[in-house]
Amino acid sequence: GQNIDQPTEMTATEGAIVQINCTYQTSGFNGLFWYQQHAGEAPTFLSYNVLDGLEEKGRFSSFLSRSKGYSYLLLKELQMKDSASYLCAVRDGSDSWGKFQFGAGTQVVVTP
Amino acid sequence: DTEVTQTPKHLVMGMTNKKSLKCEQHMGHRAMYWYKQKAKKPPELMFVYSYEKLSINESVPSRFSPECPNSSLLNLHLHALQPEDSALYLCASSPLGGGGGARHTGTDTQYFGPGTRLTVL
Repeated sequence: GQNIDQPTEMTATEGAIVQINCTYQTSGFNGLFWYQQHAGEAPTFLSYNVLDGLEEKGRFSSFLSRSKGYSYLLLKELQMKDSASYLCAVRDGSDSWGKFQFGAGTQVVVTP
Repeated sequence: DTEVTQTPKHLVMGMTNKKSLKCEQHMGHRAMYWYKQKAKKPPELMFVYSYEKLSINESVPSRFSPECPNSSLLNLHLHALQPEDSALYLCASSPLGGGGGARHTGTDTQYFGPGTRLTVL
């Protein structure tokens, strides 16, 4: 089984930086994924990490430390449209179906 | 192209109705998934199809019946649902099928469709 923890909500100002942490405990690990989900819409894939280190994609970066069971998603130069829920998902490495286990999501509120 | 389409976008049905949700992808993905998502909760996996065969059923009640007619289509047949089944139903696909010791890579992410908002009266 897997436990995935992330904060419930974070608030930040337009133009600022926000870091969303995700910790996980897994029986197997084969990648950590970040998704963005606006209310009533489907999750949209943002980034993935399978090796330790930082992956940068424009305003979004994601970091992974496998030894610590820890990842974060960094959102820079926040825009109002970044207000959404951000889901951390871990792929189970102990089965060959590659199932995802999702965290409960972090609601990011961007204020003017 | 990373598009997964779903129809209908919204569905209202009574507890005695029979309806179907449809999902389609033309990316050549070999795995397709159904998820159920309640408000302010993460998606919950229901079914996984790999190479058009049902691979995982996460103990879903029989009033939900999945079907994979071909590698591009995935249906979810609904019958005698309960009001608590009201939720957003998401379809997803990923490039690789599973099983047989398959090793998934980071490129094997799941791409979600827009979902069907289901209300059971």
